[in-house]
Amino acid sequence: DQQVKQNSPSLSVQEGRISILNCDYTNSMFDYFLWYKKYPAEGPTFLISISSIKDKNEDGRFTVFLNKSAKHLSLHIVPSQPGDSAVYFCAASAMGGGTSYGKLTFGQGTILTVHP
Amino acid sequence: DSGVTQTPKHLITATGQRVTLRCSPRSGDLSVYWYQQSLDQGLQFLIQYYNGEERAKGNILERFSAQQFPDLHSELNLSSLELGDSALYFCASSVGLSSYNSPLHFGNGTRLTVT
Repeated sequence: DQQVKQNSPSLSVQEGRISILNCDYTNSMFDYFLWYKKYPAEGPTFLISISSIKDKNEDGRFTVFLNKSAKHLSLHIVPSQPGDSAVYFCAASAMGGGTSYGKLTFGQGTILTVHP
Repeated sequence: DSGVTQTPKHLITATGQRVTLRCSPRSGDLSVYWYQQSLDQGLQFLIQYYNGEERAKGNILERFSAQQFPDLHSELNLSSLELGDSALYFCASSVGLSSYNSPLHFGNGTRLTVT
């Protein structure tokens, strides 16, 4: 049962344009969401997070939007740069879940390619 | 550099064998997590330790076990290995017990190949 889904395996964008990566979740207990970026031969790196009490969080070129009613979140990268080319993972956590603690449920990832 | 060290980087072994993967967390981090990434899969949570105690468990097979030692490093033991156990195994660490406001920092993983 895939509780966190990234339905687009890949995305190709021109440098300077906006990249929009999408993520859907099914578990209504999830209340904290994160995006991680992963380069080849490296581990995932934390990018940005959002709590369910917010609908938007911004950090420089990266903005995450959360639509709780639709159980959908998205990551916007503006402007996109070639160095942003990587695999992006969406992750979710149920902080109020008692025994969940630090467990993150990850999506399958989206490969972003930013062309110069 | 995340500060999380995993050894070895690569491991090739035969079916039925047993291996141990090692992880040293970032300095000051008390939580250690193990994740498995199989081909074309997202990261699957295996287990979390906090300050030496098991705190959360995912879909970890009975053939797999882990522990966190007093110096906070952790080991993941995989036994009776099967071809399907071939995967990237990531260790992550964080300061706190939960991931809220305490993002996980991942190591570069151990690639296990079972032949």
